Amino acid sequence: KAGVTQTPRYLIKTRGQQVTLSCSPISGHRSVSWYQQTPGQGLQFLFEYFSETQRNKGNFPGRFSGRQFSNSRSEMNVSTLELGDSALYLCASSLGAGESTDTQYFGPGTRLTVL
Amino acid sequence: KNQVEQSPQSLIILEGKNCTLQCNYTVSPFSNLRWYKQDTGRGPVSLTIMTFSENTKSNGRYTATLDADTKQSSLHITASQLSDSASYICVVSALTGRRALTFGSGTRLQVQP
Repeated sequence: KAGVTQTPRYLIKTRGQQVTLSCSPISGHRSVSWYQQTPGQGLQFLFEYFSETQRNKGNFPGRFSGRQFSNSRSEMNVSTLELGDSALYLCASSLGAGESTDTQYFGPGTRLTVL
Repeated sequence: KNQVEQSPQSLIILEGKNCTLQCNYTVSPFSNLRWYKQDTGRGPVSLTIMTFSENTKSNGRYTATLDADTKQSSLHITASQLSDSASYICVVSALTGRRALTFGSGTRLQVQP
């Protein structure tokens, strides 16, 4: 079974631009979560989607948004990029049945650099 | 405020030696605690997950313990290998009915030959 895939793997943008990242979950998984990882802040939760609905959201500004399609694939969008948005963006998928022990499987991440 | 603190921040050990990583949390109400291993440039991989009623769980050479009373967890690595060099992240989930995760900042482990 194929793992979680994220595209692109690397991205360079300039301040003020917007970016869209894509995540394809493991087949059969209905939950997709997004995380931002930086050396200073570590891993931080952005949001979770389940069955095309945002089920949970972290403490990030409205410039960060996402969506999920009927095939469970998800996209994350960041508008008006700032230097501080440079980070590794990780996507994780799970069955999403709502069980607290539902195991998440992470993708390799997208490395975003904002110049 | 929910917090997860890990120690040490970094650790260097020789191949074949054992080591123990610590995780203290203040997340409430507690649901479960997970340990992840993250190799450089890759996404985290789940090692163990423990709920309130579990106090130890093993995954090969990795053994996690949980003391829900003192809100402490440890990850013990036995007979370390060079491939154990990675960051180990402790993640605690709150029982809010929705996914509410608090991440530790991780312990960077380096295993030297």
